[in-house]
Amino acid sequence: AQKITQTQPGMFVQEKEAVTLDCTYDTSDPSYGLFWYKQPSSGEMIFLIYQGSYDQQNATEGRYSLNFQKARKSANLVISASQLGDSAMYFCAMRGVSGGYNKLIFGAGTRLAVHP
Amino acid sequence: DAGVTQSPTHLIKTRGQQVTLRCSPKSGHDTVSWYQQALGQGPQFIFQYYEEEERQRGNFPDRFSGHQFPNYSSELNVNALLLGDSALYLCASSFGGLSTNEKLFFGSGTQLSVL
Repeated sequence: AQKITQTQPGMFVQEKEAVTLDCTYDTSDPSYGLFWYKQPSSGEMIFLIYQGSYDQQNATEGRYSLNFQKARKSANLVISASQLGDSAMYFCAMRGVSGGYNKLIFGAGTRLAVHP
Repeated sequence: DAGVTQSPTHLIKTRGQQVTLRCSPKSGHDTVSWYQQALGQGPQFIFQYYEEEERQRGNFPDRFSGHQFPNYSSELNVNALLLGDSALYLCASSFGGLSTNEKLFFGSGTQLSVL
Protein backbone atom coordinates (compact mmCIF):
# COMPACT_ATOMS: atom_id res chain seq x y z
CA ALA A 1 0.00 0.00 0.00
CA GLN A 2 1.07 3.54 -0.61
CA LYS A 3 1.76 5.82 2.33
CA ILE A 4 3.06 9.34 2.91
CA THR A 5 4.63 10.34 6.23
CA GLN A 6 5.22 13.92 7.32
CA THR A 7 6.82 13.84 10.76
CA GLN A 8 6.87 17.60 11.46
CA PRO A 9 3.45 18.79 12.68
CA GLY A 10 4.76 22.36 12.86
CA MET A 11 7.80 24.34 11.77
CA PHE A 12 8.79 27.95 12.07
CA VAL A 13 11.36 29.96 10.15
CA GLN A 14 12.62 33.51 10.13
CA GLU A 15 11.70 35.60 7.13
CA LYS A 16 14.29 35.41 4.30
CA GLU A 17 15.76 32.17 5.60
CA ALA A 18 15.45 28.73 4.00
CA VAL A 19 13.40 25.89 5.47
CA THR A 20 13.11 22.17 4.71
CA LEU A 21 9.87 20.27 5.15
CA ASP A 22 10.27 16.50 5.42
CA CYS A 23 8.36 13.85 3.51
CA THR A 24 8.93 10.11 3.31
CA TYR A 25 6.89 7.73 1.24
CA ASP A 26 6.27 4.05 0.88
CA THR A 27 5.36 2.33 -2.35
CA SER A 28 6.23 -0.74 -4.36
CA ASP A 29 5.31 0.87 -7.67
CA PRO A 30 8.21 1.24 -10.11
CA SER A 31 6.70 4.45 -11.46
CA TYR A 32 5.13 7.11 -9.29
CA GLY A 33 4.80 10.85 -8.89
CA LEU A 34 5.37 13.03 -5.85
CA PHE A 35 3.67 16.39 -5.27
CA TRP A 36 3.77 19.19 -2.78
CA TYR A 37 0.72 21.38 -2.17
CA LYS A 38 0.27 24.49 -0.05
CA GLN A 39 -2.97 25.12 1.81
CA PRO A 40 -3.45 28.64 3.18
CA SER A 41 -6.23 29.43 5.63
CA SER A 42 -8.60 29.99 2.69
CA GLY A 43 -8.66 26.20 2.22
CA GLU A 44 -7.62 25.96 -1.42
CA MET A 45 -4.83 23.47 -2.16
CA ILE A 46 -2.20 25.17 -4.33
CA PHE A 47 0.19 23.05 -6.41
CA LEU A 48 3.85 23.85 -5.75
CA ILE A 49 6.10 21.24 -7.31
CA TYR A 50 6.21 17.78 -8.90
CA GLN A 51 8.88 15.06 -9.01
CA GLY A 52 8.64 11.91 -11.12
CA SER A 53 10.25 8.74 -9.87
CA TYR A 54 12.36 8.45 -13.01
CA ASP A 55 13.44 12.09 -13.11
CA GLN A 56 17.21 12.30 -12.92
CA GLN A 57 17.33 15.81 -11.53
CA ASN A 58 15.64 17.34 -8.51
CA ALA A 59 12.65 19.47 -9.43
CA THR A 60 12.72 23.23 -8.95
CA GLU A 61 9.95 25.85 -9.26
CA GLY A 62 11.10 29.35 -8.36
CA ARG A 63 11.81 29.43 -4.62
CA TYR A 64 10.71 25.81 -4.23
CA SER A 65 12.96 22.82 -4.77
CA LEU A 66 12.50 19.17 -4.04
CA ASN A 67 15.31 17.16 -2.48
CA PHE A 68 14.52 13.73 -3.94
CA GLN A 69 16.41 10.77 -2.48
CA LYS A 70 14.91 7.71 -4.12
CA ALA A 71 16.87 5.08 -2.19
CA ARG A 72 15.76 6.63 1.10
CA LYS A 73 12.23 7.19 -0.23
CA SER A 74 12.26 10.82 0.78
CA ALA A 75 11.04 13.90 -1.06
CA ASN A 76 11.73 16.93 1.10
CA LEU A 77 10.53 20.38 0.09
CA VAL A 78 13.00 23.24 0.39
CA ILE A 79 11.67 26.79 0.45
CA SER A 80 14.37 29.40 -0.03
CA ALA A 81 14.13 33.03 1.09
CA SER A 82 10.94 32.50 3.13
CA GLN A 83 8.25 35.17 2.94
CA LEU A 84 5.44 35.99 5.37
CA GLY A 85 2.98 34.75 2.76
CA ASP A 86 4.53 31.27 2.95
CA SER A 87 2.80 30.70 6.30
CA ALA A 88 0.38 27.85 5.58
CA MET A 89 -0.12 24.07 5.76
CA TYR A 90 2.07 22.07 3.40
CA PHE A 91 1.11 18.62 2.16
CA CYS A 92 3.19 15.98 0.46
CA ALA A 93 1.28 13.62 -1.83
CA MET A 94 1.92 10.78 -4.24
CA ARG A 95 0.26 9.00 -7.12
CA GLY A 96 1.10 5.57 -8.53
CA VAL A 97 -0.44 2.64 -10.30
CA SER A 98 -1.18 0.55 -7.20
CA GLY A 99 -3.25 3.38 -5.75
CA GLY A 100 -4.92 3.96 -9.05
CA TYR A 101 -3.57 6.82 -11.11
CA ASN A 102 -6.77 8.65 -10.35
CA LYS A 103 -6.08 9.56 -6.74
CA LEU A 104 -3.49 11.35 -4.67
CA ILE A 105 -2.43 9.95 -1.32
CA PHE A 106 -1.71 12.80 1.09
CA GLY A 107 0.34 13.04 4.26
CA ALA A 108 -0.95 14.68 7.42
CA GLY A 109 0.76 17.95 6.60
CA THR A 110 3.19 20.39 8.21
CA ARG A 111 2.15 23.81 9.45
CA LEU A 112 4.78 26.41 8.58
CA ALA A 113 4.93 29.74 10.38
CA VAL A 114 7.19 32.46 8.97
CA HIS A 115 8.24 35.05 11.53
CA PRO A 116 9.31 38.62 10.62
CA ASP B 1 -9.88 31.94 -16.64
CA ALA B 2 -12.00 30.74 -13.75
CA GLY B 3 -10.49 28.15 -11.49
CA VAL B 4 -12.35 25.40 -9.66
CA THR B 5 -15.44 26.79 -7.96
CA GLN B 6 -17.38 25.11 -5.16
CA SER B 7 -20.66 25.93 -3.50
CA PRO B 8 -21.72 26.53 -0.85
CA THR B 9 -18.65 27.62 1.12
CA HIS B 10 -20.18 26.66 4.46
CA LEU B 11 -23.03 24.38 5.43
CA ILE B 12 -24.56 23.32 8.73
CA LYS B 13 -26.72 20.18 8.90
CA THR B 14 -28.04 17.89 11.60
CA ARG B 15 -27.51 14.17 11.94
CA GLY B 16 -29.58 12.07 9.57
CA GLN B 17 -30.03 14.81 7.01
CA GLN B 18 -28.81 14.74 3.42
CA VAL B 19 -26.51 17.25 1.76
CA THR B 20 -25.45 18.12 -1.80
CA LEU B 21 -22.22 19.90 -2.61
CA ARG B 22 -21.45 21.35 -6.02
CA CYS B 23 -18.30 21.83 -8.08
CA SER B 24 -17.48 23.46 -11.40
CA PRO B 25 -14.12 22.40 -12.83
CA LYS B 26 -11.46 24.67 -14.25
CA SER B 27 -12.09 25.63 -17.85
CA GLY B 28 -10.87 22.91 -20.20
CA HIS B 29 -10.90 20.16 -17.56
CA ASP B 30 -13.12 17.12 -17.89
CA THR B 31 -12.33 15.15 -14.72
CA VAL B 32 -13.54 15.90 -11.22
CA SER B 33 -12.31 14.32 -7.99
CA TRP B 34 -13.70 14.77 -4.49
CA TYR B 35 -11.68 14.69 -1.28
CA GLN B 36 -12.65 14.81 2.39
CA GLN B 37 -10.33 16.66 4.75
CA ALA B 38 -11.05 16.17 8.45
CA LEU B 39 -9.66 18.71 10.89
CA GLY B 40 -5.90 18.34 11.31
CA GLN B 41 -5.56 15.70 8.59
CA GLY B 42 -4.63 15.48 4.95
CA PRO B 43 -7.30 15.11 2.28
CA GLN B 44 -8.67 11.63 1.60
CA PHE B 45 -9.90 10.54 -1.81
CA ILE B 46 -13.64 9.92 -2.05
CA PHE B 47 -14.14 9.29 -5.79
CA GLN B 48 -13.41 10.56 -9.28
CA TYR B 49 -15.77 11.24 -12.18
CA TYR B 50 -14.85 11.15 -15.83
CA GLU B 51 -17.23 11.10 -18.81
CA GLU B 52 -20.15 11.15 -16.36
CA GLU B 53 -19.07 7.87 -14.79
CA GLU B 54 -17.46 7.08 -11.45
CA ARG B 55 -13.97 5.98 -12.47
CA GLN B 56 -12.51 5.15 -9.08
CA ARG B 57 -13.71 5.17 -5.50
CA GLY B 58 -11.90 5.44 -2.19
CA ASN B 59 -12.82 3.77 1.10
CA PHE B 60 -16.06 5.61 1.70
CA PRO B 61 -19.49 4.07 2.37
CA ASP B 62 -22.34 4.09 -0.12
CA ARG B 63 -23.85 7.06 1.74
CA PHE B 64 -21.42 9.07 -0.36
CA SER B 65 -22.52 9.31 -3.97
CA GLY B 66 -21.85 11.62 -6.85
CA HIS B 67 -22.78 12.72 -10.27
CA GLN B 68 -21.11 14.42 -13.20
CA PHE B 69 -23.08 16.44 -15.71
CA PRO B 70 -22.44 16.84 -19.47
CA ASN B 71 -20.81 20.23 -18.80
CA TYR B 72 -18.32 18.40 -16.51
CA SER B 73 -19.63 19.98 -13.31
CA SER B 74 -20.19 17.58 -10.44
CA GLU B 75 -22.19 17.03 -7.28
CA LEU B 76 -21.32 15.16 -4.12
CA ASN B 77 -24.24 13.79 -2.13
CA VAL B 78 -24.03 12.49 1.40
CA ASN B 79 -27.04 10.74 2.93
CA ALA B 80 -27.82 9.99 6.57
CA LEU B 81 -25.23 12.41 7.86
CA LEU B 82 -23.11 11.43 10.84
CA LEU B 83 -21.18 13.68 13.19
CA GLY B 84 -17.98 12.22 11.70
CA ASP B 85 -18.89 13.58 8.28
CA SER B 86 -17.99 17.07 9.51
CA ALA B 87 -15.05 18.09 7.35
CA LEU B 88 -13.80 20.29 4.54
CA TYR B 89 -14.85 18.80 1.22
CA LEU B 90 -12.50 19.63 -1.62
CA CYS B 91 -13.17 19.32 -5.30
CA ALA B 92 -10.27 18.95 -7.73
CA SER B 93 -10.27 19.04 -11.50
CA SER B 94 -7.87 17.79 -14.14
CA PHE B 95 -7.77 16.84 -17.78
CA GLY B 96 -8.63 13.20 -18.41
CA GLY B 97 -5.42 11.30 -18.88
CA LEU B 98 -4.09 8.78 -16.42
CA SER B 99 -0.49 9.68 -15.72
CA THR B 100 1.68 10.08 -12.68
CA ASN B 101 2.41 13.76 -13.38
CA GLU B 102 -1.17 14.89 -13.83
CA LYS B 103 -1.61 18.01 -11.72
CA LEU B 104 -4.83 18.56 -9.80
CA PHE B 105 -6.38 22.00 -9.40
CA PHE B 106 -8.40 22.39 -6.22
CA GLY B 107 -11.27 24.61 -5.17
CA SER B 108 -11.46 26.33 -1.79
CA GLY B 109 -13.79 23.67 -0.46
CA THR B 110 -17.10 23.41 1.34
CA GLN B 111 -16.92 23.34 5.12
CA LEU B 112 -19.62 20.96 6.34
CA SER B 113 -20.60 20.91 9.99
CA VAL B 114 -22.93 18.17 11.24
CA LEU B 115 -24.60 18.87 14.59
